[in-house]
Amino acid sequence: DQQVKQNSPSLSVQEGRISILNCDYTNSMFDYFLWYKKYPAEGPTFLISISSIKDKNEDGRFTVFLNKSAKHLSLHIVPSQPGDSAVYFCAASGAGGSNYKLTFGKGTLLTVNP
Amino acid sequence: GAGVSQTPSNKVTEKGKYVELRCDPISGHTALYWYRQSLGQGPEFLIYFQGTGAADDSGLPNDRFFAVRPEGSVSTLKIQRTERGDSAVYLCASSLGTGLSGANVLTFGAGSRLTVL
Repeated sequence: DQQVKQNSPSLSVQEGRISILNCDYTNSMFDYFLWYKKYPAEGPTFLISISSIKDKNEDGRFTVFLNKSAKHLSLHIVPSQPGDSAVYFCAASGAGGSNYKLTFGKGTLLTVNP
Repeated sequence: GAGVSQTPSNKVTEKGKYVELRCDPISGHTALYWYRQSLGQGPEFLIYFQGTGAADDSGLPNDRFFAVRPEGSVSTLKIQRTERGDSAVYLCASSLGTGLSGANVLTFGAGSRLTVL
């Protein structure tokens, strides 16, 4: 039973445009959400996070939005750059009091075309 | 070290053999985690250490899997009687402490790719 779902396996956008990556979760006990980025042959790298008490967090070109009632979060990248091409994982923590354990989605492969 | 170091980066073994995977966390990080990423999936939690003790090993799939961290730094994931289904990338991560927040996130290593023939 997948508790964190990324329903789009891949996404392709043009350089300079906005990339929107989506993530849904089923466990209402999750209270902290993160996005990780992964290049081939490397480990996942932390990108941005959001606590359940907020609905938006911004860091440069990256913004994460959280809609708790819909159990949905999204990552916006503006403007997209070719170096952003990678697999993006949504992750959540906090269920059952385990504020150390991450539950990941399957990832979305983002390709930014020059 | 500067980052989380994992060795070997690649391991090919035969079904039934014993395998050890090593993780050297970031210096000063008290929390250490093992995750497993199978093809087409996201990383899945295996075990979490706080210091020398395994605080949560609920993600270990069965008793063929075992992990140690005897001195609170380097950790070894041990897999006995390997099976083809064990083939995956095994990721190690570390963090300053427990309680994920903007200031305390998991830093992952590049992983050890295990292939069981």
